[in-house]
Amino acid sequence: SQELEQSPQSLIVQEGKNLTINCTSSKTLYGLYWYKQKYGEGLIFLMMLQKGGEEKSHEKITAKLDEKKQQSSLHITASQPSHAGIYLCGADGYYGQNFVFGPGTRLSVLP
Amino acid sequence: GAVVSQHPSWVICKSGTSVKIECRSLDFQATTMFWYRQFPKQSLMLMATSNEGSKATYEQGVEKDKFLINHASLTLSTLTVTSAHPEDSSFYICSARVLAGFNEQFFGPGTRLTVL
Repeated sequence: SQELEQSPQSLIVQEGKNLTINCTSSKTLYGLYWYKQKYGEGLIFLMMLQKGGEEKSHEKITAKLDEKKQQSSLHITASQPSHAGIYLCGADGYYGQNFVFGPGTRLSVLP
Repeated sequence: GAVVSQHPSWVICKSGTSVKIECRSLDFQATTMFWYRQFPKQSLMLMATSNEGSKATYEQGVEKDKFLINHASLTLSTLTVTSAHPEDSSFYICSARVLAGFNEQFFGPGTRLTVL
C-alpha cells in the first residue's frame, strides 16, 4: 500500500516568516491533495496536484509536485496566525486503492 | 462542488449505548464511501470502505461488530458505534468517492463523539 511521510512533524514560526512542509510518497502519486485541519473540525481543501512539475498557488500558499510525482511541498509566504493548524497531504489510489493521508504537520504561528 | 454532510456534528453518550452517524452525499451519487477516525494529535486513519449494496471492508484492527457500517443507498452510509466506551471517543469523518477509477473524494465535516 502507498504510504505518505510528512516533514516536519511540527513547526513553530514567527508571524511573517515563510515556511515549507514536505510530503513524500513511497510510490508514484496519481493525485496529491493538501488539506488544512484543526482537530475536531473538518478538512479544508487547499489544493490538488496531478501532473509532474505542477505548481498551484492560492493566496499565500503554493504547492508543488515534483517531476517524478513522489514528492510535494507546501510553501506559505509571510505566515499569519490564521495559517495555524494541521496540514495533511493525501494521495489518491488508483483503480481500487484507497485514499491515504500523511501523518500531518502541526503549524503554529506566533504573533 | 460535491457536498458531503454528516449528522450529527457532535454527540455525547453514556458508556454502553450505541450511536449512529450518518454520511450523505447531497448532490451526487457515491458508489463508495469511506469512514475515517482521528485521535487527538494524530492523522486520519481509514476504518472501513463502504460500497453501496454490499458489506463494508474493514481495515486491519477495526472491529466489525463494534463499528457497523451500512451503505443502503447511493447517497447514504451510516456508521453505528455499538456499546460505546470512552476509548471510542474520537473524531469520525466520512468521505464519498465521485467516480470509480480516479479517486476524487469529498469529505464530510466530521462528527465528534464523546463517550462518558
